[in-house]
Amino acid sequence: DAKTTQPPSMDCAEGRAANLPCNHSTISGNEYVYWYRQIHSQGPQYIIHGLKNNETNEMASLIITEDRKSSTLILPHATLRDTAVYYCIVRVAGDKIIFGKGTRLHILP
Amino acid sequence: EPEVTQTPSHQVTQMGQEVILRCVPISNHLYFYWYRQILGQKVEFLVSFYNNEISEKSEIFDDQFSVERPDGSNFTLKIRSTKLEDSAMYFCASSPSFGLAGGNEQFFGPGTRLTVL
Repeated sequence: DAKTTQPPSMDCAEGRAANLPCNHSTISGNEYVYWYRQIHSQGPQYIIHGLKNNETNEMASLIITEDRKSSTLILPHATLRDTAVYYCIVRVAGDKIIFGKGTRLHILP
Repeated sequence: EPEVTQTPSHQVTQMGQEVILRCVPISNHLYFYWYRQILGQKVEFLVSFYNNEISEKSEIFDDQFSVERPDGSNFTLKIRSTKLEDSAMYFCASSPSFGLAGGNEQFFGPGTRLTVL
């Protein structure tokens, strides 16, 4: 079973920041937080991952709380192409991915 | 940018037939995976493969399934005798060796839609 809890769906206006929350209260010290997304009928796409520190790349930012029990994925300027299901995954590096149901993000024009 | 490719994009077969789904992982990657997604359901892990052998498999991956890396580039999933319930999207993924600070993100292909009639 997935070790994370995410809201089933969220809306965000185009051009605004999309903030997707994730709870992972049972995360272990050697587990990373990964985010993937799945645009309709496509393969999952890696977005970002982190262990303790906040991370940023060209796609998104990842904010992890100090106790590591929750995190937030931030898409700084959402576009219609960001409409997808977003998966927050907790795993040991190298382990298989266990996908949950994720958050269905709708970007509204 | 390098990417994982899969062929065919759509495969239709009769129940009881054998199918082979093909994947070309990213060239310098060493870890390979198959996942499947039944329509409307979660993506499910099937099998991981490293150094020419299976490193982990799920309960779904029974004796009807097999994987192979027949040459230096292809990675295949074979279903010996397909059932109706094998109808799903099948995704191949690959990842580079890990170490250093962990990471080991997996890169997924576009999938093969398998329809068993």
